[in-house]
Amino acid sequence: GQQLNQSPQSMFIQEGEDVSMNCTSSSIFNTWLWYKQDPGEGPVLLIALYKAGELTSNGRLTAQFGITRKDSFLNISASIPSDVGIYFCAGQPSTTSGTYKYIFGTGTRLKVLA
Amino acid sequence: DADVTQTPRNRITKTGKRIMLECSQTKGHDRMYWYRQDPGLGLRLIYYSFDVKDINKGEISDGYSVSRQAQAKFSLSLESAIPNQTALYFCATSEGHRYEQYFGPGTRLTVT
Repeated sequence: GQQLNQSPQSMFIQEGEDVSMNCTSSSIFNTWLWYKQDPGEGPVLLIALYKAGELTSNGRLTAQFGITRKDSFLNISASIPSDVGIYFCAGQPSTTSGTYKYIFGTGTRLKVLA
Repeated sequence: DADVTQTPRNRITKTGKRIMLECSQTKGHDRMYWYRQDPGLGLRLIYYSFDVKDINKGEISDGYSVSRQAQAKFSLSLESAIPNQTALYFCATSEGHRYEQYFGPGTRLTVT
């Protein structure tokens, strides 16, 4: 079946550093969603992307819909301790367009060192 | 108050028992979803419903059933629980033709 590769799987960074993570697939996607999940909680939607090349920000977070439509990137600028958590992407393959079905990445676990 | 609520938040049950997980939402969304989350795997869709009269199987529906009692309520049942159904279960909602999905806080289910 279709899969999303999300990298890195985990990362430790110093407070104040910028963070980058990405999701890639061999399939073309129509929509990308980025979520953050804290321990014991449900995923919280951060950013939604709808067009190839689209760049969208939400505070210190910026996400991009890759030009090839097979990838997406999330950047966090000037990280702070509360950025700790698991970030994952969800992509809607073009083959399931209109069904609102998503494939979810396995997540990037972010740890921020104060 | 949370827009999407799930009950119970934690449940331990024995193999062979029937169990129901419930989801309620106050977002006014017409579409609701049940997902399962396992360590090292992405969220997987169990069932989804686009309105009260519409129920659809997801990629891992075997061993599960659902009921959409009202626009705001969507419940997931395990008819005869087995240990490999131990997982985190999430309900999600979305509105009409919008693609964003909003998740509840999850239910941690353990089947012994």
